[in-house]
Amino acid sequence: KAGVTQTPRYLIKTRGQQVTLSCSPISGHRSVSWYQQTPGQGLQFLFEYFSETQRNKGNFPGRFSGRQFSNSRSEMNVSTLELGDSALYLCASSLWSNTEAFFGQGTRLTVV
Amino acid sequence: KQEVTQIPAALSVPEGENLVLNCSFTDSAIYNLQWFRQDPGKGLTSLLLIQSSQREQTSGRLNASLDKSSGRSTLYIAASQPGDSATYLCAVQFSGGGADGLTFGKGTHLIIQP
Repeated sequence: KAGVTQTPRYLIKTRGQQVTLSCSPISGHRSVSWYQQTPGQGLQFLFEYFSETQRNKGNFPGRFSGRQFSNSRSEMNVSTLELGDSALYLCASSLWSNTEAFFGQGTRLTVV
Repeated sequence: KQEVTQIPAALSVPEGENLVLNCSFTDSAIYNLQWFRQDPGKGLTSLLLIQSSQREQTSGRLNASLDKSSGRSTLYIAASQPGDSATYLCAVQFSGGGADGLTFGKGTHLIIQP
């Protein structure tokens, strides 16, 4: 059974640009959540999607957005990148909301 | 504010020892608590999930307990091995108002000395 797949694994972007990250959940899982991990703040919740609808959103600016497609795949977009957006972005897949979460390997974003 | 705290932040022990990692949380209204390990630069690997109604879960050399009333969980690792070296993260799914996603502790960085 394939795990959670995140693409790309690494990204380097310039301040002011935008970026789109992709996450393919485990087959049959309908909930996808996104997290940001930095050395200073640790892991912080960005948002959760379930059946193409955003269920919850963390305390991040509107530059961070996402969506989920009918096949449960999800994308996360960050516009007008700032240096502080440099982080490991992790996607988690769950069968339903509030069930066991399985994480992908993450996308390492570096903003220069 | 709902928070998760992990103690100690770092731990180094000789191979073969049994050890306990601690996790505390500020609100007893939870759906579940999950323990993960993270190797450097990698994603999170789920170790154990304890539902709100459960007291403990076991997987191999790992045993996790949950005491909701005191807001505590422990992860017990038996007969530690160098391959157990990693950062261990505790995450809580709070069910009270304002709960959003998993709330993580800062982790315990574990080193098992050969």
